[in-house]
Amino acid sequence: DGGITQSPKYLFRKEGQNVTLSCEQNLNHDAMYWYRQDPGQGLRLIYYSQIVNDFQKGDIAEGYSVSREKKESFPLTVTSAQKNPTAFYLCASSIGVRSNQPQHFGDGTRLSIL
Amino acid sequence: GQQVMQIPQYQHVQEGEDFTTYCNSSTTLSNIQWYKQRPGGHPVFLIQLVKSGEVKKQKRLTFQFGEAKKNSSLHITATQTTDVGTYFCAPGSGGSNYKLTFGKGTLLTVNP
Repeated sequence: DGGITQSPKYLFRKEGQNVTLSCEQNLNHDAMYWYRQDPGQGLRLIYYSQIVNDFQKGDIAEGYSVSREKKESFPLTVTSAQKNPTAFYLCASSIGVRSNQPQHFGDGTRLSIL
Repeated sequence: GQQVMQIPQYQHVQEGEDFTTYCNSSTTLSNIQWYKQRPGGHPVFLIQLVKSGEVKKQKRLTFQFGEAKKNSSLHITATQTTDVGTYFCAPGSGGSNYKLTFGKGTLLTVNP
């Protein structure tokens, strides 16, 4: 089945530690996105990528980094500079980066601080 | 990105009652998408509206786009417990705008 796979489902970070969240898609989509969701809040865009080896900052990029070395993969690193990383992280993809393209989401990763 | 107000923030209904959530923008929208997120789950695309005054139906769900393309609504007739979740609108402003901007969502709970 085509879809988006995020791993791990749950992740714990120690103070001062960088952690990386995995996102893989087999939908052959060009565009990929990372969102952060806090309780009772909507989705806030962290980074997005239109094509391999290219990515752009979203609304809340500080403390995060990404790479897009393969079309299928868009990992997100939560760095120690992100002081409040506890949240639900969602990866999504779409055929292209336009606002009229439906986005398909993975199951998410819940990140907590130890 | 687009700023939208989604209301209400929460809605609790008895099973069988109707439910409506509204998404309002101060600027004209190119299109609007609606998503549903079940508790503990991820958002799932429901529908996209593009034309002024457009109305689309999916079984008990009716989606409308305002004539001025500044607001949209989702109406559920005779709610069921399977309708529980958070409903998000995500408007786009078109052109070269790459982003969807998600509203904060309306959390619907249904009492059986």
